Amino acid sequence: SAVISQKPSRDICQRGTSLTIQCQVDSQVTMMFWYRQQPGQSLTLIATANQGSEATYESGFVIDKFPISRPNLTFSTLTVSNMSPEDSSIYLCSVEDPQGRTQYFGPGTRLTVL
Amino acid sequence: RKEVEQDPGPFNVPEGATVAFNCTYSNSASQSFFWYRQDCRKEPKLLMSVYSSGNEDGRFTAQLNRASQYISLLIRDSKLSDSATYLCVVDTGRRALTFGSGTRLQVQP
Repeated sequence: SAVISQKPSRDICQRGTSLTIQCQVDSQVTMMFWYRQQPGQSLTLIATANQGSEATYESGFVIDKFPISRPNLTFSTLTVSNMSPEDSSIYLCSVEDPQGRTQYFGPGTRLTVL
Repeated sequence: RKEVEQDPGPFNVPEGATVAFNCTYSNSASQSFFWYRQDCRKEPKLLMSVYSSGNEDGRFTAQLNRASQYISLLIRDSKLSDSATYLCVVDTGRRALTFGSGTRLQVQP
């Protein structure tokens, strides 16, 4: 499976600020995904990011709040903008396996907003 | 109604026990099904895919019933290391995964 890294692994931020999370994969992948896991909850898909096109956002998530970049086939960023305490979550990126059957996840970024 | 529903547990079982988890999904167009395992403060990791014919991987057996939109996971001879949250996951064909809320398993010595 692909090796996926995320930076930062954790951060504590003040409300009103923004944080950009990086996701790096050790192989080229077509589709990358960003998920959120709120405390005590399961994962919720934020958006799908394909290289060379706009990200596709799920219901309840908007580009102004969660802008995503996908400059190449091994890298993506998710920005959490104008943060509030409700944004405190773990943010995970994932990639499809080469056969397109399932996904592998990065270690996550644990965000706390004060 | 949630798209993927699971009993949150916790299931507290002794070592060596057999335990079964169930999951139902609402979208009949769902195409692929998985069980993931998530340890505390870690990312989810694929445990196994689930096929209509049923599949087995060591002590783990997964079953899919498309007619009832029901997925199950059976763990035999539970080990302490099996303690984790088990996530039922469905792909509706959009190549994006929908996760259940997870079932927590605690295997006790």
